[in-house]
Amino acid sequence: AQTIHQWPVAEIKAVGSPLSLGCTIKGKSSPNLYWYWQATGGTLQQLFYSITVGQVESVVQLNLSASRPKDDQFILSTEKLLLSHSGFYLCAWSRQGRYAEQFFGPGTRLTVL
Amino acid sequence: AQSVTQPDARVTVSEGASLQLRCKYSYSGTPYLFWYVQYPRQGLQLLLKYYSGDPVVQGVNGFEAEFIKSNSSFHLRKASVHWSDSAVYFCAVTASANTGKLTFGHGTILRVHP
Repeated sequence: AQTIHQWPVAEIKAVGSPLSLGCTIKGKSSPNLYWYWQATGGTLQQLFYSITVGQVESVVQLNLSASRPKDDQFILSTEKLLLSHSGFYLCAWSRQGRYAEQFFGPGTRLTVL
Repeated sequence: AQSVTQPDARVTVSEGASLQLRCKYSYSGTPYLFWYVQYPRQGLQLLLKYYSGDPVVQGVNGFEAEFIKSNSSFHLRKASVHWSDSAVYFCAVTASANTGKLTFGHGTILRVHP
């Protein structure tokens, strides 16, 4: 069975500080990977997607970047946090192919002060 | 462009009652539709999906949804809710073959009174 792990569970960071969030998928080779952001009490917005190692596409510009250094790993980062970055970050995976359903990780809660 | 509207921000029902959560989508082609549930401080779990075929699809935990193309709707139903169904429910649509771009509605907060 596939498992998806996100780290850290939660972060409290200062404005202007750097950030790195991670996501790992086990039990599935060559998955499509996605990052989503969810404002508190809000809907989900897709940020990035990746269909293969080293290839990441940006969907929304939020002063964030993403990388896929390994087949099973997806990293979200920024060098300088803004207050507006606060929220819930979710990683998801799907199998390759059209319209495949996405499966979500447990998420990381980020508070920027 | 695709979009999803969930017109009910909050729904409150009593345990044992039937439930319908509304979802309307906007997309000119054939949509692929999903319902997800989010429990407090957790990620999203897939309840059910519709790709084609029988417009009534069955999901987990007794949930079902009906795709009505003429009405651009994909409402979620359950015959008898349990207090543990209290959560936020999201309807989502994808129509992109390349990006897997899921467009979510704003969610409906369901509260079930025991």
